[in-house]
This record gives sequence, structure tokens and C-alpha cells, in this order.
Amino acid sequence: EVQLVESGGGLVQPGRSLRLSCAVSGLTFDNYGMHWVRQVPGKGLEWVSGISWNSFNIDYADSVKGRFTISRDNAKNFLYLQMNSLRPNDTGLYYCAKALGPNLYTGYFDQWGQGTLVTVSS
Amino acid sequence: EIVMTQSPATLSVSPGERATLSCRASQSVSSNLAWYQHKPGQAPRLLIYGATRATGLPARFSGSGSGAEFTLTISSLQSEDFAVYYCQQYNKWPRTFGQGTKVEIK
Repeated sequence: EVQLVESGGGLVQPGRSLRLSCAVSGLTFDNYGMHWVRQVPGKGLEWVSGISWNSFNIDYADSVKGRFTISRDNAKNFLYLQMNSLRPNDTGLYYCAKALGPNLYTGYFDQWGQGTLVTVSS
Repeated sequence: EIVMTQSPATLSVSPGERATLSCRASQSVSSNLAWYQHKPGQAPRLLIYGATRATGLPARFSGSGSGAEFTLTISSLQSEDFAVYYCQQYNKWPRTFGQGTKVEIK
């Protein structure tokens, strides 16, 4: 069974940092690109960032570019999101999601985690 | 970026009835449209991509449309189908989602 389990969320003050993790099991992790998608309160889903299987290709939504850094550890089957200079409008439920194949720019997301909540507030 | 608009925001349906959810794109996305089901506290679940049902998805779920207009139909709502449904285009980056349609019990 494929499992994606996020962790690392919490309450943080504006301007501070947080690092999210996603533990992946039940598949060959380095066969797939991975993504972060967030759900902002009162709004829908927003793609945040994605990374190819070998970390060679990385992309970010304009809203987080320059502040967030995605990375992965294929030896440990983990995906990460380092979030710096956090803003109140970064508040939301952050999901990791699996791509269809190894590359960054492929299709939809066929497996998701249950999310970790990030609250940015003073 | 491509803006996805779903309607209605909330759909009240009785069990056993048919539910029709709409999704419109701000430009053509060809047939590159996915639907997800999301229940509180759970992971979003891929339902349909293009015209294909995900593995194990009951036949009461069907997707149709192409270009900029799409429909998700649930032919006879079961209790486990009450949830929020999102559409997502995968024709261009960044991938964008609709705001969701909440299907609630009437």
C-alpha cells in the first residue's frame, strides 16, 4: 500500500521558518517526481512546488518563489519543503502528492498524503 | 495561468439521486482534466483523469467534456460520496485547481 505521511506543520510567527517532511512508503520513491500542494482556508487547492526524481528539475509557484525550497532524499524516501519568511497567507493544509512518473512536468497527482497544518500568525 | 471555475459551490442531493458537477477552464485544456474527491481529514483521492476512471472507482462516477467545459456525474449518490470535489487541469503549468464543489446530503 502506498503511503505518504506529512509532518512538521505547526504555529509559527510571520517571518519565521518551518520545514515540512513527507515520508513515502509502498513504492520505489526514486521512480517518481513529487509535489507539494496546499489548501488555503476559504480557497481551493494551490500547487506549491515540484521536484523530479533526481532533483535536477525543480519548480515553484510564483507566490512562494524565493522563500520556499523543495528537496528530496531518495535514500530515505523523504520529501521536504523548507519554508522561510513565512507570511499569514501561507497558512493552510500542506499535502505532498506523487506524480505519475519520474519527471517534474507530468500529468496529475495520483497519490496524496493527509496533510500537515501550517498556521502563520503572531 | 489557467483559472478553473467550478459550479455550484454547494450541491444538496438526496441519496440515490444524480449529481452533476461542472468545471470550466479559462482556456482550452484539451482533455487534460482530473477530478478529485476530498473528505475532511483524509487524503484527496484521484477519481478521474481525462475520460478514465481511476482503478477501483465505481462505475457510478463518470467524467465528460473537453476543451474548456467539463462535467463530473455521480449517477446514484451513496452515503460515502458526500464530500468536496475538485477539478484540476494538467494541460499547462502551473497546475491549477477549481475552488471545489461540496456535495452535501439534502
